[in-house]
Amino acid sequence: NAGVMQNPRHLVRRRGQEARLRCSPMKGHSHVYWYRQLPEEGLKFMVYLQKENIIDESGMPKERFSAEFPKEGPSILRIQQVVRGDSAAYFCASSPNLPGSHEQYFGPGTRLTVT
Amino acid sequence: DAKTTQPPSMDCAEGRAANLPCNHSTISGNEYVYWYRQIHSQGPQYIIHGLKNNETNEMASLIITEDRKSSTLILPHATLRDTAVYYCIVRVGFGAAGNKLTFGGGTRVLVKP
Repeated sequence: NAGVMQNPRHLVRRRGQEARLRCSPMKGHSHVYWYRQLPEEGLKFMVYLQKENIIDESGMPKERFSAEFPKEGPSILRIQQVVRGDSAAYFCASSPNLPGSHEQYFGPGTRLTVT
Repeated sequence: DAKTTQPPSMDCAEGRAANLPCNHSTISGNEYVYWYRQIHSQGPQYIIHGLKNNETNEMASLIITEDRKSSTLILPHATLRDTAVYYCIVRVGFGAAGNKLTFGGGTRVLVKP
């Protein structure tokens, strides 16, 4: 059973370009979460999605950032017009849709560098 | 979610038990205590969680005080691969509100040979 997969693992973008980060949850998991870790800082929650629905986006910046989890395919975190401050590691996690399920399983992360 | 307080760092000798404390004095009755760790540059890894009772799994043991205001994660036989930042997190364990993990600064554990 493959774990959470994220790609690309490393992404370099110039200021003003778009960044698309992909996350494939573990098989059978229908909940996806995105977290961001700025250099030398802790992880910060960004958004929580279920299939075709955004449940909690309280940690998402209001502009330039969007997330989706379509019925088919991976979850996508999209950052438009990237700036240097967007350089960070972006982690995706998934959990099963089971009553009482507690754990979140994290992927290896995508390291975004904005030049 | 209730806040947690952890020491910023601690050293541990390889092969010895590592005892990681966490204070969560404002924890609510329906909030669980979770522990995750992040080995350098990797995604966080779930370790263990508990509500009231002590818990043990293949990775660690979790001891929660009777008043639930603090807990201790025990790594019974620390190895060099246990060097990581350990996060103690308190949150409701169900519903939409229970799905967001709020990471603090954690404890940076260095296991020394």
